[in-house]
Amino acid sequence: NAGVTQTPKFRILKIGQSMTLQCTQDMNHNYMYWYRQDPGMGLKLIYYSVGAGITDKGEVPNGYNVSRSTTEDFPLRLELAAPSQTSVYFCASSGTRLYEQYFGPGTRLTVT
Amino acid sequence: AQSVAQPEDQVNVAEGNPLTVKCTYSVSGNPYLFWYVQYPNRGLQFLLKYITGDNLVKGSYGFEAEFNKSQTSFHLKKPSALVSDSALYFCAVRDDNAGNMLTFGGGTRLMVKP
Repeated sequence: NAGVTQTPKFRILKIGQSMTLQCTQDMNHNYMYWYRQDPGMGLKLIYYSVGAGITDKGEVPNGYNVSRSTTEDFPLRLELAAPSQTSVYFCASSGTRLYEQYFGPGTRLTVT
Repeated sequence: AQSVAQPEDQVNVAEGNPLTVKCTYSVSGNPYLFWYVQYPNRGLQFLLKYITGDNLVKGSYGFEAEFNKSQTSFHLKKPSALVSDSALYFCAVRDDNAGNMLTFGGGTRLMVKP
């Protein structure tokens, strides 16, 4: 049981490039989330999904897009990368909206 | 709107002493409260939660937390700290009137010295 997995672990992007951060969970959770964690800060919610085909914006969605075609996968797309998107990105999932979230190991992204 | 505050950026404690990491929250409805721990270069790990019921909640690794509705607090505690408890701790809250969003505090770094 792998839980929540994220790829890649690290990535360096040039300004204006695009990329997709992958997230997969094998717990059959309906709820999935993307957060970013800036140095010395807490986590901010970017997007979330309550099931396949359903997504919604979180606190800081600008510059990102998501899709949820299956229960297992919730990729995060960065279009036209900017230095402000330098951060650590965490994917999480939960079985219901009330209960604890399980986090992946994170992707450390640097935009230069 | 829901919010959570962790007033201390860092807490220092000697090994074997009790520790407290503070958290206060603000919600319009009933709160669902969580504590997570983050070790260096790792994702967050769930420690414990308060949904309803007893105000004293016990969690992983000997941690517990006390829900205090009148003081809108949910402080994390442990009777005897270990050096291995040194990490970053996050409090989080969900308002049962606020849909699916979980709001995290800024985190408190716990340093346990031998």
